[in-house]
Amino acid sequence: SQKIEQNSEALNIQEGKTATLTCNYTNYSPAYLQWYRQDPGRGPVFLLLIRENEKEKRKERLKVTFDTTLKQSLFHITASQPADSATYLCALTIYNQGGKLIFGQGTELSVKP
Amino acid sequence: ETGVTQTPRHLVMGMTNKKSLKCEQHLGHNAMYWYKQSAKKPLELMFVYNFKEQTENNSVPSRFSPECPNSSHLFLHLHTLQPEDSALYLCASSQDSREDQPQHFGDGTRLSIL
Repeated sequence: SQKIEQNSEALNIQEGKTATLTCNYTNYSPAYLQWYRQDPGRGPVFLLLIRENEKEKRKERLKVTFDTTLKQSLFHITASQPADSATYLCALTIYNQGGKLIFGQGTELSVKP
Repeated sequence: ETGVTQTPRHLVMGMTNKKSLKCEQHLGHNAMYWYKQSAKKPLELMFVYNFKEQTENNSVPSRFSPECPNSSHLFLHLHTLQPEDSALYLCASSQDSREDQPQHFGDGTRLSIL
């Protein structure tokens, strides 16, 4: 069956450390993988997008990697801050299926001062 | 971000009521989406509209009826809902419905069915 799995356990880290979140997928051939941030009571906010033939993408303190052999994406936040505390969602799109985003269940990140 | 606005933010309705959710985007996008987010579950795509035409209906029950009168507005008409339909309903938009387009979400309508 097709699945997208993110760490189901909440991730607690200390301020200043690097947070690493995992997104694994099964039985998909994604065209693109996207990462979103969602705060309580708010809609998801787009962060980064990476194509299936790209290994890595960076934006300020954020870095995404995409390994189609391992069927995994890693999302890193360096020098984490309490304001980074939120739920992070990965989502993928498939070639020729348009903008149909398929989401994982999200990982809750808590950064302690 | 106020690019995608959803109203109302909260809605409580009985199973026999009829109500509508509204979504408006001010980003000049041509694709709009409805998603359902239930507690502890991934976001589920419901409908996709591209240039006002419906291009995806993800096996959604007919008690949910979408309407897209123009590229800036999207409605979700609700009737005879069930308690399991209680959820956060999110609207999103993108430049078009290609696979490489990030989506911009509203803050959702929290729907409770009594």
